[in-house]
Amino acid sequence: AQKVTQAQTEISVVEKEDVTLDCVYETRDTTYYLFWYKQPPSGELVFLIRRNSFDEQNEISGRYSWNFQKSTSSFNFTITASQVVDSAVYFCALSEEGYSTLTFGKGTMLLVSP
Amino acid sequence: GAGVSQSPSNKVTEKGKDVELRCDPISGHTALYWYRQSLGQGLEFLIYFQGNSAPDKSGLPSDRFSAERTGGSVSTLTIQRTQQEDSAVYLCASSLELADQYFGPGTRLLVL
Repeated sequence: AQKVTQAQTEISVVEKEDVTLDCVYETRDTTYYLFWYKQPPSGELVFLIRRNSFDEQNEISGRYSWNFQKSTSSFNFTITASQVVDSAVYFCALSEEGYSTLTFGKGTMLLVSP
Repeated sequence: GAGVSQSPSNKVTEKGKDVELRCDPISGHTALYWYRQSLGQGLEFLIYFQGNSAPDKSGLPSDRFSAERTGGSVSTLTIQRTQQEDSAVYLCASSLELADQYFGPGTRLLVL
């Protein structure tokens, strides 16, 4: 069975600091998909990124970057120069072959102070 | 375009009553999902509809929970004889087949 672990329950940083959110996953499938979602205080889950298991290239989107390493079963998310608006709960998720239902980690609450 | 919508936004009910939660997916999306978010359990998958296929009900926690999707669009999640442990945020998502899921704002259910 699949499992996603986000060991960091809560992280507090000061604005402009860089912060990395960790995600470790377990799956027996060779084809799978990894995701990050953001849940701001409003409650709606916002899709950030999807990565499939055959693509280990790191990705950068503005201040966001993702580091996928199959060797350590990790898919970490870094926010560079954090801002107050980045304050939210961030969820890492896994979908196995068939790309249907998501298994979520417990989430990491990020608090960025001015 | 319009995103996934859910109603009601909030629902307070008494233990033992039945509740119905509604989800309107993004137009054209063939897949629809229900998840539950609670303090103790995090985000859990409940049920998944894809086109005309039989739904994947493997995440439903008990037989008090059921869902249907009419006409391949709107879905209703029904909880019968609600219990206090059913209190949670119920999230609906939709997607094109084999594509990214987009979530609605959720229904916050409180069972007294």
